[in-house]
Amino acid sequence: DAGVIQSPRHEVTEMGQEVTLRCKPISGHDYLFWYRQTMMRGLELLIYFNNNVPIDDSGMPEDRFSAKMPNASFSTLKIQPSEPRDSAVYFCASSLSRGRSDTQYFGPGTRLTVL
Amino acid sequence: GESVGLHLPTLSVQEGDNSIINCAYSNSASDYFIWYKQESGKGPQFIIDIRSNMDKRQGQRVTVLLNKTVKHLSLQIAATQPGDSAVYFCAENSPSGKLSFGAGTTVTVRA
Repeated sequence: DAGVIQSPRHEVTEMGQEVTLRCKPISGHDYLFWYRQTMMRGLELLIYFNNNVPIDDSGMPEDRFSAKMPNASFSTLKIQPSEPRDSAVYFCASSLSRGRSDTQYFGPGTRLTVL
Repeated sequence: GESVGLHLPTLSVQEGDNSIINCAYSNSASDYFIWYKQESGKGPQFIIDIRSNMDKRQGQRVTVLLNKTVKHLSLQIAATQPGDSAVYFCAENSPSGKLSFGAGTTVTVRA
């Protein structure tokens, strides 16, 4: 199994531009999570999906952030317009089920730099 | 000026020695705990987990101890190797179902 796949691995953009991060979860996993990691705040859950449906987006910082999961093998996290404070590493993770005894497997992350 | 941000605990350990990484969790109702290892430039990687009905669980070279009385979790790594150098996170699964991560501990193995 290839594990969770994220693209791009690195993204550098200018303030105001739209950024789209992509994730392919592990095949057969029903849950998909988007996290953001910064030195200031550590690892934060942004949103998670169950069977392609967004369940909890309370961690999404503001309306500039949106996430979709059009099918079981693909999800996107979009930031429009991007701001310098969005610079972080964004991780996607997937698991077979939610919570109890289910391990989340993380992708390699996308390092986003907004100038 | 003073740096702002998370002040990650650090642990420097001699190669071959045992390492102990500690974590305090916040929610007494949390019922599942996980340790993750994050190497530079990579995503967190699962190491070991433990349910709240256990107080100890062993894996390959790693042991997790859970003390629910004081809401404390520890990860012990036996015979620490250079490849163990990483940031280690504990995570608790709260009744809300969300996985909450600690700030992390940076482990550096000295040759």
